[in-house]
Amino acid sequence: GAVVSQHPSWVICKSGTSVKIECRSLDFQATTMFWYRQFPKQSLMLMATSNEGSKATYEQGVEKDKFLINHASLTLSTLTVTSAHPEDSSFYICSARARGSETQYFGPGTRLLVL
Amino acid sequence: QKEVEQNSGPLSVPEGAIASLNCTYSDRGSQSFFWYRQYSGKSPELIMFIYSNGDKEDGRFTAQLNKASQYVSLLIRDSQPSDSATYLCAVLAAPTDSWGKLQFGAGTQVVVTP
Repeated sequence: GAVVSQHPSWVICKSGTSVKIECRSLDFQATTMFWYRQFPKQSLMLMATSNEGSKATYEQGVEKDKFLINHASLTLSTLTVTSAHPEDSSFYICSARARGSETQYFGPGTRLLVL
Repeated sequence: QKEVEQNSGPLSVPEGAIASLNCTYSDRGSQSFFWYRQYSGKSPELIMFIYSNGDKEDGRFTAQLNKASQYVSLLIRDSQPSDSATYLCAVLAAPTDSWGKLQFGAGTQVVVTP
């Protein structure tokens, strides 16, 4: 149980385009989902937290207009990187937490390369 | 500033030996503690969690928690080359953070040598 999927696993795009990443909880209802970014050889960095049906809460320094998060259902959250630039190239990972649980389960991650 | 500190390593461990990883945290109100394993190029996967002082065992892994000293540790017995990874310590903030955000340490890289 507690499986989280992400799609796509890899994406290459041109600078200036937008990219949408999906995060799904497959066998539980995720009341809260988290989006992280990780650069090579660096720690996980929390970008934002989203509760189903509510606006996301962004960490300091993360541009909410650039990283659009939608948590429309208890099993799906999306992250859209708008007008992506090469510096946005990174490993984006989501995690999900069920109601009443403190444990976060991570998706497999999405590698974004912006050319 | 809530902090979670880990030695970055690498921690080199002979195959079959015990790997001992330590983690300290600054928020005395922290309630729950997690260990994740992250292989190179992959996302973190949960190893175990611990809420109460003392030891918790799960297979070859033992988590130890001492809230008075604000540290949590992970022991890996009979270390195998497949245990070579970065181990992340994560701390759930005090109950005032109802969103359930975790504070992550930078991770300890473990290298198990045959």
